[in-house]
Amino acid sequence: DGGITQSPKYLFRKEGQNVTLSCEQNLNHDAMYWYRQDPGQGLRLIYYSQIVNDFQKGDIAEGYSVSREKKESFPLTVTSAQKNPTAFYLCASSSVGRVEEKLFFGSGTQLSVL
Amino acid sequence: AQKVTQAQTEISVVEKEDVTLDCVYETRDTTYYLFWYKQPPSGELVFLIRRNSFDEQNEISGRYSWNFQKSTSSFNFTITASQVVDSAVYFCALTPHNDMRFGAGTRLTVKP
Repeated sequence: DGGITQSPKYLFRKEGQNVTLSCEQNLNHDAMYWYRQDPGQGLRLIYYSQIVNDFQKGDIAEGYSVSREKKESFPLTVTSAQKNPTAFYLCASSSVGRVEEKLFFGSGTQLSVL
Repeated sequence: AQKVTQAQTEISVVEKEDVTLDCVYETRDTTYYLFWYKQPPSGELVFLIRRNSFDEQNEISGRYSWNFQKSTSSFNFTITASQVVDSAVYFCALTPHNDMRFGAGTRLTVKP
């Protein structure tokens, strides 16, 4: 079945540590996105990529980094510069990244700070 | 500014009741798209419907219906004869540009 796979489902970060969240899709979609979800705040865009080897910052990119070396993969690194990383992280994709396209989502990664 | 407001944080109903989830949006663009997504306890968001700014026709899909009114900048979602499986967080979203703007979500609990 086609879809988006996020791993791990739960992740714990120690002080000063970088952690990487995995996102893989087999939908052959060009565009991929990372969102952060905090209770009562909806989803906020961290980064998005519409093509391999290119990505743009969203509203809350500080403290995060991404790469897009392969079409099917868009990993997100939460760096030590992100002082409040505890949140639910959702990866999404769309066919070519046009505004009218619906997004397909993974099942998310819950990141917590130890 | 592009903004989506879902004023209802939580709604609780008893099974078979009808329920309406409100969504009000702000945008200066004349061309835009509105969406509703459902987030069940499993976590992933599931697409429900999309509307473009030039199509104000209301839509019905089974027990779900949507009322789009540009005059009041609203895109409300009604579930008729609610069921326990409808319990989830529902998000309204707006895309005037490349990125999608989400509301804060409404948590719907349907009790048996």
